[in-house]
Amino acid sequence: LAKTTQPISMDSYEGQEVNITCSHNNIATNDYITWYQQFPSQGPRFIIQGYKTKVTNEVASLFIPADRKSSTLSLPRVSLSDTAVYYCLVVGNTGGFKTIFGAGTRLFVKA
Amino acid sequence: EAGVAQSPRYKIIEKRQSVAFWCNPISGHATLYWYQQILGQGPKLLIQFQNNGVVDDSQLPKDRFSAERLKGVDSTLKIQPAKLEDSAVYLCASSLVPLGAGGTDTQYFGPGTRLTVL
Repeated sequence: LAKTTQPISMDSYEGQEVNITCSHNNIATNDYITWYQQFPSQGPRFIIQGYKTKVTNEVASLFIPADRKSSTLSLPRVSLSDTAVYYCLVVGNTGGFKTIFGAGTRLFVKA
Repeated sequence: EAGVAQSPRYKIIEKRQSVAFWCNPISGHATLYWYQQILGQGPKLLIQFQNNGVVDDSQLPKDRFSAERLKGVDSTLKIQPAKLEDSAVYLCASSLVPLGAGGTDTQYFGPGTRLTVL
């Protein structure tokens, strides 16, 4: 299963666009990428998922280049409430699809 | 739609004691997961059920951890005896279908049970 690498932490200001990049060099053909958000004392919450190119929903956009060795989560115009840990996961099939959470990226949004 | 319910929310025990956690998944969700999240780390999958059968328990410390999902709905995770290193948040998640099965395979997490072993 592909290992993911993402920055440990990031700082931003309210109203800015935040881009968090995740590398997954060993992603396999059938693997797909999923991002979760976690607030303190809560379980992770699904944000967005994609296989290739670009996916957009009401919360975020996910950009995946053609080689799929990385992906970028884009959060438009962040607010203080977006302060959380963001996890990039590669969902792969190793005898059944599995997910492995890394340490995540701690995003701190300042006023 | 009600979310994933877990109880208790907090538990403090002494080492070598036993503890059990309960999870009620979202209605209709066939797949249930238990994760362990140690402070500062991402969640680690312990066990995955499909209905009442175990799909993956490769990372479950079977000498002290056990889990069951009777009737394919609620699930309990037990630790006996507990060790200091078991202090963590235990998260339960459910999904309509197993991961990789399609667009409805999103995992929904409960709030977790924070276990402190003294």
